Amino acid sequence: TQLLEQSPQFLSIQEGENLTVYCNSSSVFSSLQWYRQEPGEGPVLLVTVVTGGEVKKLKRLTFQFGDARKDSSLHITAAQPGDTGLYLCAAYNQGGKLIFGQGTELSVKP
Amino acid sequence: NAGVMQNPRHLVRRRGQEARLRCSPMKGHSHVYWYRQLPEEGLKFMVYLQKENIIDESGMPKERFSAEFPKEGPSILRIQQVVRGDSAAYFCASSPPRGQVYEEQYFGPGTRLTVT
Repeated sequence: TQLLEQSPQFLSIQEGENLTVYCNSSSVFSSLQWYRQEPGEGPVLLVTVVTGGEVKKLKRLTFQFGDARKDSSLHITAAQPGDTGLYLCAAYNQGGKLIFGQGTELSVKP
Repeated sequence: NAGVMQNPRHLVRRRGQEARLRCSPMKGHSHVYWYRQLPEEGLKFMVYLQKENIIDESGMPKERFSAEFPKEGPSILRIQQVVRGDSAAYFCASSPPRGQVYEEQYFGPGTRLTVT
């Protein structure tokens, strides 16, 4: 079974701090996606990483795909209260279904 | 360009009633996916449809649940004889025709089903 494991599960930090969220698997994926979900809303696609070792930046968010394409990380610099939300990593499994990690619940306090 | 639309946003049903959830994909998208989200289980795939075809329903319970995506109109996820365990957020996502190694799916705002 291909699984995506995210850590930490919960993260509560002060505004201005940096943080990193991890998404790990024992399986190799052709691509990996990161979503952000706010309470009462659907997941919003942030980025897709495709190439091993790839780094993508989206303002204060930096996404990295591991060289072996088994893991990924999301780093947020100088977090703001508006970054609060559930961050989900996702990838297609061998059966062609999009599978999700359990998510990291981030709370940024002013 | 309107995003994925789902309605209703909130649905309350009594045990034994039927629930119908509707999803209109993004313009130009011909592929629809339904997911269920429970706090303790995360987001789980249920079914993948194209117009008039069910491609993969391996994540959908065999009984009481059905899905369709007719030639005209929205995709419908139908739950018959609802039970309390069906209470969850149901999300629809759409993507353009599969032609790439990876396909980006765009999610709707979800329907929160509460069974009383």
